[in-house]
Amino acid sequence: AQSVTQLDSHVSVSEGTPVLLRCNYSSSYSPSLFWYVQHPNKGLQLLLKYTSAATLVKGINGFEAEFKKSETSFHLTKPSAHMSDAAEYFCVVSETTNDYKLSFGAGTTVTVRA
Amino acid sequence: DVKVTQSSRYLVKRTGEKVFLECVQDMDHENMFWYRQDPGLGLRLIYFSYDVKMKEKGDIPEGYSVSREKKERFSLILESASTNQTSMYLCASSSLTSGAYNEQFFGPGTRLTVL
Repeated sequence: AQSVTQLDSHVSVSEGTPVLLRCNYSSSYSPSLFWYVQHPNKGLQLLLKYTSAATLVKGINGFEAEFKKSETSFHLTKPSAHMSDAAEYFCVVSETTNDYKLSFGAGTTVTVRA
Repeated sequence: DVKVTQSSRYLVKRTGEKVFLECVQDMDHENMFWYRQDPGLGLRLIYFSYDVKMKEKGDIPEGYSVSREKKERFSLILESASTNQTSMYLCASSSLTSGAYNEQFFGPGTRLTVL
């Protein structure tokens, strides 16, 4: 069975400083991994996805994530936080690239200080 | 762009009422999903459908049912609403053939309060 652990429930950063959101996963097979973002009162939007191609994945809005199989991690980073990055972020795993079912982490809320 | 719409953004119902949440997608996706989102728990799958009139239970189906009579529409039904069903409900859809594997596209959500 697959599962996801987001290691921080809240992250607070200053505008212009780096953002790091940590995610560990467990999966019996080769997983697909995703990061979604949810702004207040909005639905979820895909930031980026890993599907067994390049281990460093670039997404929208300057975010990127690195798949590390040996560490079973898929951490999300951004070099310089912007006020508009304040949102909730979800790390998501799927067992195989053809599996419909997604398993969501509990979410990390990001606060950006001016 | 894929668009997933949900019939209501906010809904307030009484305990025991029958509640219908509607979801429509405009991209001819085969798969449709209903999740509930609660603080600290992420999203949990209630039901999903992979074709018209087909459905499968997710992780937390108790107290819910679904209906999919047309490919673009997927309804979530609370037969007798209870206060522990107060939550944010999110609908999503995905395609088998998009090449995006199992990326799901989400609606804006319905915040349901049961009094």
